[in-house]
Amino acid sequence: GAGVSQSPSNKVTEKGKDVELRCDPISGHTALYWYRQSLGQGLEFLIYFQGNSAPDKSGLPSDRFSAERTGGSVSTLTIQRTQQEDSAVYLCASSPTSGIWDEQFFGPGTRLTVL
Amino acid sequence: AQTVTQSQPEMSVQEAETVTLSCTYDTSESDYYLFWYKQPPSRQMILVIRQEAYKQQNATENRFSVNFQKAAKSFSLKISDSQLGDAAMYFCAYRSGGSQGNLIFGKGTKLSVKP
Repeated sequence: GAGVSQSPSNKVTEKGKDVELRCDPISGHTALYWYRQSLGQGLEFLIYFQGNSAPDKSGLPSDRFSAERTGGSVSTLTIQRTQQEDSAVYLCASSPTSGIWDEQFFGPGTRLTVL
Repeated sequence: AQTVTQSQPEMSVQEAETVTLSCTYDTSESDYYLFWYKQPPSRQMILVIRQEAYKQQNATENRFSVNFQKAAKSFSLKISDSQLGDAAMYFCAYRSGGSQGNLIFGKGTKLSVKP
């Protein structure tokens, strides 16, 4: 079956512009996560959605970052007024439930470059 | 807060040989789960193996096994009979047993396999 997909694969933008990154989770998965992977760093948690519950936004680095998940499926991560330090690979993952043992299935990521 | 440390930024192994990747973590929790993920150049994270903290028996998945030392807070990954396709970044990750949420990742180890 289809895995997690993300678009675009690569995004180059100018400092100060807004960007939207899209994630299509595996059908039927109720949990969705966004992570950021900066050069030479591990993955940093950004935000987590579980079903219709309020999202866990505790990892968002600033109020320029926001995310939504429509209809419990597709999610969009928005970065406003992008800065050069926002350059990173943004990874999305989904899992069947939010169960602790559940495997998180990752998408291929979006590489964001802010000039 | 929990932290995950991978002290080996890079490792190299000869094809068909065995290699061990190190991971230590810091937590005050007694209930948690540990994971090893592989990230090939395609960027897509793949779950390699996972371990429940309350299980003393080390997890194994074909050529992959772990050495879980709970008292030492150590969770190393052993790859036997290394293959060229094992070349990738390997990330150790922690998940709290007390919450439903994100993984906490180490910074990764880049594994090269020499033919």
